[in-house]
Amino acid sequence: KQEVTQIPAALSVPEGENLVLNCSFTDSAIYNLQWFRQDPGKGLTSLLLIQSSQREQTSGRLNASLDKSSGRSTLYIAASQPGDSATYLCAVLGNAGNMLTFGGGTRLMVKP
Amino acid sequence: GAVVSQHPSWVICKSGTSVKIECRSLDFQATTMFWYRQFPKQSLMLMATSNEGSKATYEQGVEKDKFLINHASLTLSTLTVTSAHPEDSSFYICSARALRSGAHNEQFFGPGTRLTVL
Repeated sequence: KQEVTQIPAALSVPEGENLVLNCSFTDSAIYNLQWFRQDPGKGLTSLLLIQSSQREQTSGRLNASLDKSSGRSTLYIAASQPGDSATYLCAVLGNAGNMLTFGGGTRLMVKP
Repeated sequence: GAVVSQHPSWVICKSGTSVKIECRSLDFQATTMFWYRQFPKQSLMLMATSNEGSKATYEQGVEKDKFLINHASLTLSTLTVTSAHPEDSSFYICSARALRSGAHNEQFFGPGTRLTVL
């Protein structure tokens, strides 16, 4: 059974810092991995999707990497802003292509 | 593109009543829709997978008679919480997987429905 872990569970940083969120998964037989953002009481916003054959994806100040063999992904946020404050979730899609398994999330607070 | 809507966005009901939540893919066809549940400060837990025209597949520990799922068309799935009780209060989120090719099995998520059972 796939298990996804995110570290840290919570993070508070001053504005402007570069930061790294970590995601690890136990079964490397994945189809893809996604990073989502969730604001309080809201649904999920997809940030980046990395196919199993890819090593990284970039969107603006966000960069996500994937090391499938070691079961790890990182989300790098450059020059953090207060508007980045949210919960960040990673999720892996198994090779069967059906079930997304979510990590517990990292609650990020960027202080002005 | 790839917008998923949910209705209602929030609902408050009395214990014992049934509540229906709709999930619609607005600009694409979805053969498969998923229903998730999220408790406060916790992550999403998959409840069931719904395929158009067939019975839903429920995850272990999810009562199929309690959470009725209907996926009658390629753009609509409904989740009915029957005889709701306070412990059913949660945030319910649906997602839809596009039928079109090249979608990389990506799931698109709805905005969620907050259910509070008094």
